Amino acid sequence: GQNIDQPTEMTATEGAIVQINCTYQTSGFNGLFWYQQHAGEAPTFLSYNVLDGLEEKGRFSSFLSRSKGYSYLLLKELQMKDSASYLCAVRGTLSGNTGKLIFGQGTTLQVKP
Amino acid sequence: DGGITQSPKYLFRKEGQNVTLSCEQNLNHDAMYWYRQDPGQGLRLIYYSQIVNDFQKGDIAEGYSVSREKKESFPLTVTSAQKNPTAFYLCASSIGGGASWSQPQHFGDGTRLSIL
Repeated sequence: GQNIDQPTEMTATEGAIVQINCTYQTSGFNGLFWYQQHAGEAPTFLSYNVLDGLEEKGRFSSFLSRSKGYSYLLLKELQMKDSASYLCAVRGTLSGNTGKLIFGQGTTLQVKP
Repeated sequence: DGGITQSPKYLFRKEGQNVTLSCEQNLNHDAMYWYRQDPGQGLRLIYYSQIVNDFQKGDIAEGYSVSREKKESFPLTVTSAQKNPTAFYLCASSIGGGASWSQPQHFGDGTRLSIL
C-alpha cells in the first residue's frame, strides 16, 4: 500500500527552530511537496523536493532522502504566524502522467511566546 | 489576479438532497482536483480531471459526481448516496500534462458542508 506518516502535533517556542518529519512508502517516487495550511483556509505551497538534499527558501528549508523514504521541513526563527498545519504530499509513479498526490494527515504546529 | 474560487464558503444539506459545490479557476490550468478533509485527517482525493470532458475517480468517489464541460470549471455534486458528507471540501488545480511533475497544486479556500 501507500502510506505517509507525520507527527500529529508539535509545539515550539517563538524564535526557535523546529523540524517536522515525514516518512513515506509509495509505489515509486516522483517528488515530495510541503504545504502550509492555517485553520479553515486553503493549503499554500511551501517547497518541492525530487532529488536528495536540502532546498532552502528563506526561513523554511526542506530535506529529502529517497533511499530512506524520508523528508523534513525545517522552520527557523519561528513566528507566531507559523502556527498552522503542515502537510507532506508525495507523487508516486502510480500517478502516471498526472499531478495526483498522496497526502499525509498533517502536523499541527503550535508556536508559543 | 489569478486564482481558484470556491463557492459557497458554507453549505448545509438536508437529508436526501443533492448539493453542488462550485470551483472556478482562471489560472489556465488543465488539471483540476477535488479533495475532502476531515478533522485530524489528510486530504483524500474524490475526483480529478486532466482535461476538459474527461475525469477520473479518486480514492473516495462513492456518493459524489463531477463534470468538466469547461476548462475553468469543475463542479462537485454531493449526492444523497453520500451518507457522511460533513467535511471541508477543497478544490485544486495544476498545470497538468507532462509539465505537472514538479508543479504544485493550487488550492481554493474551501467549502464547509454540514448536514441539517
